[in-house]
Amino acid sequence: GESVGLHLPTLSVQEGDNSIINCAYSNSASDYFIWYKQESGKGPQFIIDIRSNMDKRQGQRVTVLLNKTVKHLSLQIAATQPGDSAVYFCAENLGQGAQKLVFGQGTRLTINP
Amino acid sequence: NAGVTQTPKFQVLKTGQSMTLQCAQDMNHEYMSWYRQDPGMGLRLIHYSVGAGITDQGEVPNGYNVSRSTTEDFPLRLLSAAPSQTSVYFCASSYWQGTYNEQFFGPGTRLTVL
Repeated sequence: GESVGLHLPTLSVQEGDNSIINCAYSNSASDYFIWYKQESGKGPQFIIDIRSNMDKRQGQRVTVLLNKTVKHLSLQIAATQPGDSAVYFCAENLGQGAQKLVFGQGTRLTINP
Repeated sequence: NAGVTQTPKFQVLKTGQSMTLQCAQDMNHEYMSWYRQDPGMGLRLIHYSVGAGITDQGEVPNGYNVSRSTTEDFPLRLLSAAPSQTSVYFCASSYWQGTYNEQFFGPGTRLTVL
């Protein structure tokens, strides 16, 4: 079946450094991708999304890059802060509208002081 | 707005018992979905609805039923609970304006089946 996976299950960075979280997807027909942040005991929180007709999208301190040739997605977080510590999931949308998402396993990001 | 609310927060069931997980949203979203999250895993789609009276199956629908009688509510029913259904359940909603939009997730229900 289709799947979305992550290269690294854990990532530790120093506070103030930039972090990059990677994601590989397998469904070449997916045309919408989302990054979610999940803190312990809470539901996923939307960070940023990107459509397949784009290569890059920037938000506040976050950038998502999409490489459709190799089916790769990445999330860059600039100047990491302690509050960035969480599990980050990438997800691809298989259906019209954001209601049929396939999630990756997740990467736990730890910010060291 | 309260956003997406879920009740209960925690539930323990015995094998074979039935129960309903409640989900409500006050954002007038057309789309609502149920996901389950097992330890160390991403979320998997159980069922979803694109509007009142319309539901469809997701990736892991077996053992669960849903209905959507109103725009606001989307309950998930476990007909005969099994230990394999021990998980954290998340409800989500989103609106549709001709293009993709983010999903808003509830806080989750942690279910244990003994």
